[in-house]
Amino acid sequence: DAGVIQSPRHEVTEMGQEVTLRCKPISGHDYLFWYRQTMMRGLELLIYFNNNVPIDDSGMPEDRFSAKMPNASFSTLKIQPSEPRDSAVYFCASSSYGGGTDTQYFGPGTRLTVL
Amino acid sequence: GNSVTQMEGPVTLSEEAFLTINCTYTATGYPSLFWYVQYPGEGLQLLLKATKADDKGSNKGFEATYRKETTSFHLEKGSVQVSDSAVYFCALITGGGADGLTFGKGTHLIIQP
Repeated sequence: DAGVIQSPRHEVTEMGQEVTLRCKPISGHDYLFWYRQTMMRGLELLIYFNNNVPIDDSGMPEDRFSAKMPNASFSTLKIQPSEPRDSAVYFCASSSYGGGTDTQYFGPGTRLTVL
Repeated sequence: GNSVTQMEGPVTLSEEAFLTINCTYTATGYPSLFWYVQYPGEGLQLLLKATKADDKGSNKGFEATYRKETTSFHLEKGSVQVSDSAVYFCALITGGGADGLTFGKGTHLIIQP
């Protein structure tokens, strides 16, 4: 399996622009997670989906952030409008059955820089 | 709430030295515990895990034992290599249902030849 695929790997944009990050989970995995990694706050869960349905979005920082999963093989995280403090590495992860003993598999991440 | 505390480093060791990275946690319920490793420019890879008290996870010469009495999951390796240089994250997840991982801040490990 190709693992979790994320695109783009790097994104540089200007403040106020819309940014869309993309993720393809491992085939057959029912759970998809979006995390953000910053120096100040470390790794934080933003939102996760089960069978394409958002289950917990309490980690989404503001209304400027939105996430969708239109089908089992694709998810997007959108920031509109973007701000410099959104600069971070965004990771997507997927897992098979989502239980406490399950393993989450991470993609390579998207490094976002907002100028 | 849940939290994970680990030494942040950087931790610098010579090749073939013994490694310990401490990790302690606070959790509601009975968590599963994980160590993930992040090599430069890459995503996180699962290194090992333990899902109940007294379990020992092991992989690639690394091991960690789930100690419920001390709420700890310290990572150890008997002889480190330059290729082990990376950032190591301790993490937990609780409950029978799905949830996100709670991570420590990460420990940057540097192995010198």
